[in-house]
Amino acid sequence: SYGLTQPPSVSVSPGQTATITCSGDPIPKKYAHWYQQKSGQAPVLVIYEDTKRPSGIPERISGSTSGTMATLTISGAQVEDEADYYCCSTDTSGNHIFGGGTKLTVL
Amino acid sequence: EVHLVQSGGGLVQPGGSLRLSCDASGFIFNTYFMHWVRQAPGEGLVWVSRINDDGTSTRYADSVKGRFTISRDNAQNTVHLYMNSLRVEDTAVYYCARAVRIGATFYFDYWGLGTLVTVSS
Repeated sequence: SYGLTQPPSVSVSPGQTATITCSGDPIPKKYAHWYQQKSGQAPVLVIYEDTKRPSGIPERISGSTSGTMATLTISGAQVEDEADYYCCSTDTSGNHIFGGGTKLTVL
Repeated sequence: EVHLVQSGGGLVQPGGSLRLSCDASGFIFNTYFMHWVRQAPGEGLVWVSRINDDGTSTRYADSVKGRFTISRDNAQNTVHLYMNSLRVEDTAVYYCARAVRIGATFYFDYWGLGTLVTVSS
């Protein structure tokens, strides 16, 4: 089965750019979506279909893909962006798979 | 406004059963697939199951296949997850989620708040 690989943690200072990667075989064939989960809360969709941003999500959050890698970029990260971020896609069997998650620290 | 209100969950012994429910409002329920996703304590998100819009097609993660059953009642705008033969490793917060379909894939645009299932003797 396919897996999606994310770095366990990313740390940036406020105002810096945070980059979270997600690599795996499904990425070129199926869309990648990204979810933000703050401590003790339900996940929130922040990027869908590789690059699209739902209404209400700040413009500083963006998504891109290249080859077998999807990337979530937070430009000018703020303290309120501290959260776990998960990428998600679909394997060839039609099963939904999540990456292991990346803990973003902004301090 | 979309709302997904979850109920059920709690403490159950290994081998026991439990039913989770997710009451939906604020959208045309019978036009959306619905999914369940779980998260073990301190762990990441794991997809569990999905059901199509009219309830005629279901899909399960290998880890729950044969033990869990997803169903929906479109008249009551509710989706259920029946969990049988529960194992300690099923301990997790379970989320219901509304799915937007894009071809053969989905993204989850609304999530319930989650309900904790603890399997322990």
